[in-house]
Amino acid sequence: NAGVTQTPKFRVLKTGQSMTLLCAQDMNHEYMYWYRQDPGMGLRLIHYSVGEGTTAKGEVPDGYNVSRLKKQNFLLGLESAAPSQTSVYFCASSYSPRSGTGEQFFGPGTRLTVL
Amino acid sequence: AQSVAQPEDQVNVAEGNPLTVKCTYSVSGNPYLFWYVQYPNRGLQFLLKYITGDNLVKGSYGFEAEFNKSQTSFHLKKPSALVSDSALYFCAVRDLSGSSNTGKLIFGQGTTLQVKP
Repeated sequence: NAGVTQTPKFRVLKTGQSMTLLCAQDMNHEYMYWYRQDPGMGLRLIHYSVGEGTTAKGEVPDGYNVSRLKKQNFLLGLESAAPSQTSVYFCASSYSPRSGTGEQFFGPGTRLTVL
Repeated sequence: AQSVAQPEDQVNVAEGNPLTVKCTYSVSGNPYLFWYVQYPNRGLQFLLKYITGDNLVKGSYGFEAEFNKSQTSFHLKKPSALVSDSALYFCAVRDLSGSSNTGKLIFGQGTTLQVKP
């Protein structure tokens, strides 16, 4: 049981390049989330998904897109990276609040630097 | 608006002494409260939660938290700190706003706990 995994662990991009971050979970969770963590700002929600084929915007969605084609995977895309997107990105998953108490389980993170 | 506040950026405590990391919240309705710990270069790990019931909640690694409804607080505590407890701690509350239950959590800014030998 690997829990929540993220690839890659590190990445350096040049401004304007694109990339996709992959999150996978093997806990059969319905809900999945993408956060970014910046010093002094805690975790901010980028996008989330309440089920396969559904996505919704979080607190800071601009410049990001997501897809949830399979229940176990949640992809975060940066179409044209900007230095302001330099951050550590965390994926999390949880059971539906209707069937559980809502604690989220986090991946190890992806450290992204945009030059 | 719903929110979580962790008033201390850093807490310093000597090994063996009790520790407290403070958290206050503001939500409409009954709160679902969580504590997470983040070790350097790692993801967040779930420590404990309060949903309902006893105000004193016990969690992983000897941590506990006390829910106080009148003070809208959920402070994290441990009777005897270890150097290995040094980490970044986050308090979170489930976001109950809106018409549907999205499961979203609102996180505090985090408190760095430094335990010195």
